[in-house]
Amino acid sequence: GESVGLHLPTLSVQEGDNSIINCAYSNSASDYFIWYKQESGKGPQFIIDIRSNMDKRQGQRVTVLLNKTVKHLSLQIAATQPGDSAVYFCAENILGAAGNKLTFGGGTRVLVKP
Amino acid sequence: KAGVTQTPRYLIKTRGQQVTLSCSPISGHRSVSWYQQTPGQGLQFLFEYFSETQRNKGNFPGRFSGRQFSNSRSEMNVSTLELGDSALYLCASSLDGGTSGNTIYFGEGSWLTVV
Repeated sequence: GESVGLHLPTLSVQEGDNSIINCAYSNSASDYFIWYKQESGKGPQFIIDIRSNMDKRQGQRVTVLLNKTVKHLSLQIAATQPGDSAVYFCAENILGAAGNKLTFGGGTRVLVKP
Repeated sequence: KAGVTQTPRYLIKTRGQQVTLSCSPISGHRSVSWYQQTPGQGLQFLFEYFSETQRNKGNFPGRFSGRQFSNSRSEMNVSTLELGDSALYLCASSLDGGTSGNTIYFGEGSWLTVV
């Protein structure tokens, strides 16, 4: 399939281990953050989101942590599986009348080794 | 429930031509936004429409334009194509216009190659 982002930072993880993907966001006014997963040849798939009034949110096998003091976001994937191999993007937005305008990070490629 | 649908999925155009890409949002979604994805620049916001009104525009030249119809379907147009316009163009839809943090869903994209 096609590839977008040929020179992304790569995280190699053993199947069954936990993965941690980090993201530094840019705008201190951002109050809504989203993680997306993009597999080769496909569009970004929503994983989990978090608002700025929270510092942690859990989903199925995923946890997002938000540290507003240092403008840092992380995605933790528990018991990483081969199907988790993809590029992961964080995105930030400012909720309000200005509408949906996501600013994306550069992405991290996750490779799961069997 | 059908997801965000983009057509065409793949297309090849010649420099100087124009192209129109189409997006059908998830049923009931009124916000449609467009993004360009390239290896060099990553994912960049193009524009967003809500109830047929463009509310936000990214830093792209005027050759990039869009519109939204009364049924929330959207089109984007790129005129006078340049080689650098080769990219994956992604459409995303959401229930509202970004006030409540409703999930923003993406389509599979339209792959444009300019030769």
